[in-house]
Amino acid sequence: GAVVSQHPSWVICKSGTSVKIECRSLDFQATTMFWYRQFPKQSLMLMATSNEGSKATYEQGVEKDKFLINHASLTLSTLTVTSAHPEDSSFYICSAYRPDRGYGYTFGSGTRLTVV
Amino acid sequence: QQQVKQSPQSLIVQKGGIPIINCAYENTAFDYFPWYQQFPGKGPALLIAIRPDVSEKKEGRFTISFNKSAKQFSLHIMDSQPGDSATYFCAASTENSGYALNFGKGTSLLVTP
Repeated sequence: GAVVSQHPSWVICKSGTSVKIECRSLDFQATTMFWYRQFPKQSLMLMATSNEGSKATYEQGVEKDKFLINHASLTLSTLTVTSAHPEDSSFYICSAYRPDRGYGYTFGSGTRLTVV
Repeated sequence: QQQVKQSPQSLIVQKGGIPIINCAYENTAFDYFPWYQQFPGKGPALLIAIRPDVSEKKEGRFTISFNKSAKQFSLHIMDSQPGDSATYFCAASTENSGYALNFGKGTSLLVTP
């Protein structure tokens, strides 16, 4: 079946540093990748949509200069949290969309980011 | 703005019971309605999904009921087990929103032995 490998699964970083999260589609080409953020006991909130080879589309209220998304290939999308602050601590999840599967979505296993 | 409203927020049932989780939406352009199960520290996993051209879909112990006129859909879990204890999210999407999933707020289900 379709698999999206997300790394790292957890990361602790100091305030002011940057963290990169990778999502790789292992056995299919992900033309579209969605990035979500989930705070404890809350729902998944869409941060941005990225399409291979083009700039990401960010949801209202999400700082594009802080959350850099790159989707340079059909199998890799990355989210870089720049100048991280404690309030950026959250669970980040990617989801690849497969139009060839008619509304097929494959989620990564998530990344727990803690900024200290 | 929450485009998909989910209730209840939490639910406790005994083993063998049938928990029912409800969702409502306003955007009539939505044409895909999935349910996801999420365990702590994990990404959501698809349970079952439905399109608006059918009123019910069953897969194993999970059933979706869909009422297009009322713009509501629900998840029923038959013969619930303690292992079903998790958070459940309904969602909806449409081509108009770039196929992004709009999630409900989630329901925390506890199935007691």
